[in-house]
Amino acid sequence: KQEVTQIPAALSVPEGENLVLNCSFTDSAIYNLQWFRQDPGKGLTSLLLIQSSQREQTSGRLNASLDKSSGRSTLYIAASQPGDSATYLCAKNSGGSNYKLTFGKGTLLTVNP
Amino acid sequence: NAGVTQTPKFQVLKTGQSMTLQCAQDMNHNSMYWYRQDPGMGLRLIYYSASEGTTDKGEVPNGYNVSRLNKREFSLRLESAAPSQTSVYFCASSPGLAGAVSPKNIQYFGAGTRLSVL
Repeated sequence: KQEVTQIPAALSVPEGENLVLNCSFTDSAIYNLQWFRQDPGKGLTSLLLIQSSQREQTSGRLNASLDKSSGRSTLYIAASQPGDSATYLCAKNSGGSNYKLTFGKGTLLTVNP
Repeated sequence: NAGVTQTPKFQVLKTGQSMTLQCAQDMNHNSMYWYRQDPGMGLRLIYYSASEGTTDKGEVPNGYNVSRLNKREFSLRLESAAPSQTSVYFCASSPGLAGAVSPKNIQYFGAGTRLSVL
């Protein structure tokens, strides 16, 4: 059974710090990988999607990378802000279609003013 | 722009009762999904519908049934609720271009239904 692991489970940083969230997966077959944000009591919002043919994607202060050979993805957040506080989840799609995602359990990020 | 709408937002059931969770999307998406989210378990796929008229089991389908009523609506039914089904349920949709694989096939989520079974 393929697994997606996110480390650390929780992270607390001061405002302004650059930080990296990690996602690793056991099955090297990957079509794409998505990073989501979840605010307390809310649904998930897609942040970035990286295709298996890509090495990274950028959106504003966010940069996601993908290394298929090592089974890892990272989400880099630059100049963190209190509004970035949320749970960040990665999800892997390894099928021939885009129908099913396998999620990690998430990293709870707290950015302190 | 509503996106993915789930009803109800909260529900309390007694063991053995039945209920249907409703989901509707207004983005003309082909594919729809039902997930449950439990502490320490992450999100797990219950059922999905790749396109109107089709449904398939996900990772944890036991105790649930689904209906893809039309392109917009995908409902999840608990026939005889059990305490183990206490969870937060999320519906999602994606463009799901039939017969093709699209890098734009991002999943969009509803706000969730918080269900307690006593």
